[in-house]
Amino acid sequence: KAGVTQTPRYLIKTRGQQVTLSCSPISGHRSVSWYQQTPGQGLQFLFEYFSETQRNKGNFPGRFSGRQFSNSRSEMNVSTLELGDSALYLCASSRGTELAKNIQYFGAGTRLSVL
Amino acid sequence: GENVEQHPSTLSVQEGDSAVIKCTYSDSASNYFPWYKQELGKGPQLIIDIRSNVGEKKDQRIAVTLNKTAKHFSLHITETQPEDSAVYFCAASPLNNAGNMLTFGGGTRLMVKP
Repeated sequence: KAGVTQTPRYLIKTRGQQVTLSCSPISGHRSVSWYQQTPGQGLQFLFEYFSETQRNKGNFPGRFSGRQFSNSRSEMNVSTLELGDSALYLCASSRGTELAKNIQYFGAGTRLSVL
Repeated sequence: GENVEQHPSTLSVQEGDSAVIKCTYSDSASNYFPWYKQELGKGPQLIIDIRSNVGEKKDQRIAVTLNKTAKHFSLHITETQPEDSAVYFCAASPLNNAGNMLTFGGGTRLMVKP
């Protein structure tokens, strides 16, 4: 069974550019969550999608956005990149939306470097 | 919102010794507490979790304890092995949260010396 796939694995951008990251969840999983991981702030929740609807949103500026397609694949977009956006962006998928009943499986992440 | 603090940030033990990682949380509404292990170049992987209606849970060499009154929970790894070396994260979430939003602790880098 294939795991959560994130593409690309590495990305280098310059300040002011925008970037789109992709996440393919495990087959049958309908919930996709995104997290930002940095040495200073740790793992922080960005947003979660279930059946193409955003269910939760973390405390990030509007430059961070996402969407989910009918096949449950998800993309997140960051516009007007800042140096502080350099991070490992992790995607996690689960079958449903109740954490205690649905294990979240994480992908290996996309490492974004903003120069 | 929820705030989770995790200690220590680094932990070095000899192979065969026990390791204990502690977390505290602030939101009394939190009642689901998972622990994740992250190896280099990989995403976090769930290793054990506990709900607030349970005080302790064990899975082979790994155990988690929860004290709801004090708002803290701990991960215990016995008979540590070199392959246990990784970064461990605790997290908290209210079960009635309409979604999969986790608040993570800052992480503990565990090093098991052979």
